[in-house]
Amino acid sequence: DAGITQSPRYKITETGRQVTLMCHQTWSHSYMFWYRQDLGHGLRLIYYSAAADITDKGEVPDGYVVSRSKTENFPLTLESATRSQTSVYFCASSESGHYYEQYFGPGTRLTVT
Amino acid sequence: AQSVTQPDIHITVSEGASLELRCNYSYGATPYLFWYVQSPGQGLQLLLKYFSGDTLVQGIKGFEAEFKRSQSSFNLRKPSVHWSDAAEYFCAVGTGTASKLTFGTGTRLQVTL
Repeated sequence: DAGITQSPRYKITETGRQVTLMCHQTWSHSYMFWYRQDLGHGLRLIYYSAAADITDKGEVPDGYVVSRSKTENFPLTLESATRSQTSVYFCASSESGHYYEQYFGPGTRLTVT
Repeated sequence: AQSVTQPDIHITVSEGASLELRCNYSYGATPYLFWYVQSPGQGLQLLLKYFSGDTLVQGIKGFEAEFKRSQSSFNLRKPSVHWSDAAEYFCAVGTGTASKLTFGTGTRLQVTL
């Protein structure tokens, strides 16, 4: 199906473990983004990518790593998960020059115990 | 740096009543402004956007928003709310390069029957 998908939708992991959240879009959008959503903070940008092999930090990048070897995929890795990374993570994509309209995935709810 | 303020964390309205959600932004240049809606357990969906031109913009689901430069505001309105409008609403400003958005903290709308 066309669109933007995230996997897994729910994840429970332990402190110190590495976990990767996957994001896949079928539109060939140039830009992709990772946000985290926390009560009282709205959505905060973690990392974004303007194209394959081009990534940059957002507002809250510490503790996260991203890569983008293919246009359609933008995985987010928590190298050593901490309880403060318990959150809902959203991936989004947008066309280049499309005046910032972003399309969001359904989110991944991550709990770090 | 740009910022978005949504002063109302939670609003309750009766079905059929009118609605206005407030959004104020801080940005030095002409902003690109957005309203997104998030239904429970879902990702964000674009309601409407303002780039330039007519300061009153129409969106999906019967929503509209008015850009007022003098007040740095972009308030969302709907003349008659339906129970299905219960959701969380986010205002966002797009700034400068890289299609990045800065989101407000959101307003949760509850609709009573």
